[in-house]
Amino acid sequence: GEEVAQTPKHLVRGEGQKAKLYCAPIKGHSYVFWYQQVLKNEFKFLISFQNENVFDETGMPKERFSAKCLPNSPCSLEIQATKLEDSAVYFCASSQWPGQGTRSPLHFGNGTRLTVT
Amino acid sequence: DQQVKQNSPSLSVQEGRISILNCDYTNSMFDYFLWYKKYPAEGPTFLISISSIKDKNEDGRFTVFLNKSAKHLSLHIVPSQPGDSAVYFCAVLSGNTGKLIFGQGTTLQVKP
Repeated sequence: GEEVAQTPKHLVRGEGQKAKLYCAPIKGHSYVFWYQQVLKNEFKFLISFQNENVFDETGMPKERFSAKCLPNSPCSLEIQATKLEDSAVYFCASSQWPGQGTRSPLHFGNGTRLTVT
Repeated sequence: DQQVKQNSPSLSVQEGRISILNCDYTNSMFDYFLWYKKYPAEGPTFLISISSIKDKNEDGRFTVFLNKSAKHLSLHIVPSQPGDSAVYFCAVLSGNTGKLIFGQGTTLQVKP
């Protein structure tokens, strides 16, 4: 599609439950990024993929968080045993190639708001 | 430690006047800079970018200025319109991984 599609829009989980978020990148974009927006405005980079391969995972928490991008499937971000501090909006973005000199900046989806109660 | 700083949380301007949003960064190795605009309940939308080989880039009502010696960039919107009311984020491209480092955002309100 022409937009990055994120589902669900809202997700409510009790503390300790699993949360799974999905992202369909723009067709033809081979790079996918996940960001976490906690509080009002701070974006934290989590992980990126080049096709189905992890490209950069320097922002991923060591525990409880995992992500995949499998062929012919939406990408996913999974949080095992959610904690209150995981409450945030999670944004997915895609690009043809977002590197230096790019003319293809990241295109963001509208996010999934995760609320952990 | 915040590598990209937008020190003004909010800005209010009158319709038709100029809006100037500012951004400072700490690492002189950063060489590609972007501005994103965000409406509530939506994802950030790319607005304009600039490479470090330039000091100005213009696109319609939007102009980005880069001062490498001061490690400072600014976004000028002129004339400002009520539809420009949104949160504006500056971002820098980190290395060659495509990862963006964002500032904290500035909420712009353009009053009719």
